[in-house]
Amino acid sequence: QKEVEQDPGPLSVPEGAIVSLNCTYSNSAFQYFMWYRQYSRKGPELLMYTYSSGNKEDGRFTAQVDKSSKYISLFIRDSQPSDSATYLCAMSENAGGTSYGKLTFGQGTILTVHP
Amino acid sequence: GAVVSQHPSWVICKSGTSVKIECRSLDFQATTMFWYRQFPKQSLMLMATSNEGSKATYEQGVEKDKFLINHASLTLSTLTVTSAHPEDSSFYICSEKSALSGTDTQYFGPGTRLTVL
Repeated sequence: QKEVEQDPGPLSVPEGAIVSLNCTYSNSAFQYFMWYRQYSRKGPELLMYTYSSGNKEDGRFTAQVDKSSKYISLFIRDSQPSDSATYLCAMSENAGGTSYGKLTFGQGTILTVHP
Repeated sequence: GAVVSQHPSWVICKSGTSVKIECRSLDFQATTMFWYRQFPKQSLMLMATSNEGSKATYEQGVEKDKFLINHASLTLSTLTVTSAHPEDSSFYICSEKSALSGTDTQYFGPGTRLTVL
């Protein structure tokens, strides 16, 4: 079993739709949760960062973390064609531990928003 | 935010040659940088953690003699793929750990596409 599971998709939605992306994980030591967006042949770009459980909103993006269920989500409202990319969830344990700074990534979900 | 650059962005080399990839931190002073490899339509796989002034820490299964990492300054880490073979063709991405205290956020470079003929 992988530490982080993410449905690779692909996911295709019409412009303006609400997109829901999810990851589950098995390591209860994960404390930091991130979502990255990666365009083709580019490095990942940090979208959202969340510490522990809770919600965080930034513009059209909302990140949710439910540590009790080991489940994280990213919602994109009013999706745009420019949102078409691969979305990667990533998580890590407490800073300062033996895995200091090490990120564990999900497989990535390919999203296409069509006009 | 942090800016990480990589050079070159794309390199083609012959089998058996060595290739050096540079990763520069333009904003933060990166004491810790990470090297990842990404195959097409797959996620990022951590290869090694690069610490300024000390030996890199390699992930299990990554040959340290094949993937040489040097992190001699706070702004530069290099990855050298020695005696490259076609199976080493991949997208190599570096990142630096955020200098913000208490976070494990990483900022990534644009990546280097290596093609070994």
